[in-house]
Amino acid sequence: KAGVTQTPRYLIKTRGQQVTLSCSPISGHRSVSWYQQTPGQGLQFLFEYFSETQRNKGNFPGRFSGRQFSNSRSEMNVSTLELGDSALYLCASSHRDRDYVNTEAFFGQGTRLTVV
Amino acid sequence: GENVEQHPSTLSVQEGDSAVIKCTYSDSASNYFPWYKQELGKGPQLIIDIRSNVGEKKDQRIAVTLNKTAKHFSLHITETQPEDSAVYFCAASIRLTGGGNKLTFGTGTQLKVEL
Repeated sequence: KAGVTQTPRYLIKTRGQQVTLSCSPISGHRSVSWYQQTPGQGLQFLFEYFSETQRNKGNFPGRFSGRQFSNSRSEMNVSTLELGDSALYLCASSHRDRDYVNTEAFFGQGTRLTVV
Repeated sequence: GENVEQHPSTLSVQEGDSAVIKCTYSDSASNYFPWYKQELGKGPQLIIDIRSNVGEKKDQRIAVTLNKTAKHFSLHITETQPEDSAVYFCAASIRLTGGGNKLTFGTGTQLKVEL
């Protein structure tokens, strides 16, 4: 069973640009969550998508957005990049049980974004 | 919101010794507590988890304990090996109004197993 796939693995962008990151969840998983990992702030929740709808959102500015497609693949977009957006962006996929609760979260390798 | 504290931030043990990492959480509504291992250049890997209706869980050399009253949970690794060297994260999960869970992570423990 294939794991969570994130592309690209590495990105270098300049301030003011925008970027789109992609995540393919484990087959059968319909919940995709995004996290930002930095040395200073650790792992922080960005948002979660389920059935093509954003269900939950963390405390990040509106420059961070995402979407999910009918095949459960998800994309995350960051507009007007700032130096502080440099981070490892991680995607996690989960299966929701019959009580509508996510089960275990499995992470991808991440996309390392560097803003210069 | 939920806050998770993790200690120690670094831990160095001799091969074969045991390692213990401790976490505390603030929100009594948290009901699921996973532990992740992250190696350099990789994403976090789920190694063990425990739900709030269980006090202890073991999987070979790894065990997790949960004290709901004190809001503490701990990771225990016995007979440590060099390949156990990595950063370990604890997390607490709370059910959200939109369904699904939000994971709040601790700040990580860099474990080094020395030969």
